[in-house]
Amino acid sequence: AQSVTQLDSQVPVFEEAPVELRCNYSSSVSVYLFWYVQYPNQGLQLLLKYLSGSTLVKGINGFEAEFNKSQTSFHLRKPSVHISDTAEYFCAAQDNYGQNFVFGPGTRLSVLP
Amino acid sequence: DGGITQSPKYLFRKEGQNVTLSCEQNLNHDAMYWYRQDPGQGLRLIYYSQIVNDFQKGDIAEGYSVSREKKESFPLTVTSAQKNPTAFYLCATSGATLSREQYFGPGTRLTVT
Repeated sequence: AQSVTQLDSQVPVFEEAPVELRCNYSSSVSVYLFWYVQYPNQGLQLLLKYLSGSTLVKGINGFEAEFNKSQTSFHLRKPSVHISDTAEYFCAAQDNYGQNFVFGPGTRLSVLP
Repeated sequence: DGGITQSPKYLFRKEGQNVTLSCEQNLNHDAMYWYRQDPGQGLRLIYYSQIVNDFQKGDIAEGYSVSREKKESFPLTVTSAQKNPTAFYLCATSGATLSREQYFGPGTRLTVT
């Protein structure tokens, strides 16, 4: 079974600054990786996913993430954040058998004016 | 419109009462999931179903029950045996194996007093 770690529970950042939200996973098999965003009192929305191919994945709202197999990481980045990016961000992993969809604990991104 | 519907958005119940949360989807997805989310915590899997008339317990199934009589519907009953039922409940679906990701409904916030 795999597990997902998000080391930062909260990340405050000023508007227009860059941000990186960290995600590490552990798994004995190959995994597929996802980032979701959740705005207050709403469901989760997919930002981006890595299934195979290029390790740099671009998603919606200007976010991107890089899969690093050697470091078992899938960090989420945005070069310039907006107030509207304030939300909870979840990293998730699924093994390549299509089972065990596991979420990290989430990182609350607060964008300050 | 294709999507996942959860109703109601907010639900209030007295302690000792069973309550059923609705989840309906028109995405033609085979798999459906129920998650519980508590403040500051990630998502915890309650039950999932990969096919009609079949479902499996997740990590925190105690005090909950489900049914899957139709592909489109996966209702969750929170029974009086659930010791701490106040939480945000999210329903999700997943379809073709190529896309992999889970799609989420808007959630139901249950408050039990």
